[in-house]
Amino acid sequence: QKEVEQNSGPLSVPEGAIASLNCTYSDRGSQSFFWYRQYSGKSPELIMFIYSNGDKEDGRFTAQLNKASQYVSLLIRDSQPSDSATYLCAVSSGGSNYKLTFGKGTLLTVNP
Amino acid sequence: GAVVSQHPSRVICKSGTSVKIECRSLDFQATTMFWYRQFPKQSLMLMATSNEGSKATYEQGVEKDKFLINHASLTLSTLTVTSAHPEDSSFYICSASYSGETQYFGPGTRLLVL
Repeated sequence: QKEVEQNSGPLSVPEGAIASLNCTYSDRGSQSFFWYRQYSGKSPELIMFIYSNGDKEDGRFTAQLNKASQYVSLLIRDSQPSDSATYLCAVSSGGSNYKLTFGKGTLLTVNP
Repeated sequence: GAVVSQHPSRVICKSGTSVKIECRSLDFQATTMFWYRQFPKQSLMLMATSNEGSKATYEQGVEKDKFLINHASLTLSTLTVTSAHPEDSSFYICSASYSGETQYFGPGTRLLVL
């Protein structure tokens, strides 16, 4: 059974701080990794994806991947109250139908 | 780009009736569409994967006769919940993909079965 684990939180950070969200996965064959943000009552929206080991930066967001440790993280710099949401980690093992396995999400609260 | 719509956004129905939910990719052709269900404070659970013109692939435990999926074109997939019961009340979300793995989600449909 492929599993994706996330700390459910809540993770509270003050405005302007760096928020660090972590995710581990069980399937060593996983190839692609995604971070989605989900506001309460809304559907997920894609923040970014990463395929290769190392860091990938997009604005205030940085995704970090370490396949040897089966670990992926998302850093949010200069956190804003509008970043308060549940962050979902999703993992794909490739294949012909590109299914994603989602973690349960980490609730982030950014305090003004 | 990569906009996905769903209709209706919210539906309330009586137990025993059927409900159809539409998922459309508005500005791209979706080679694959996915249907998820999310219960309160739970993560997304994949129900089925559909490719245009072929039968949907259902996840283990999902009844294909109860959740009918039709992927009629590269921009439209429908999910019909047949003979809905209160335990089917949930947040149903579709996603669409055109480039392989990246999925773009629709806004979701909240179903309440009385």
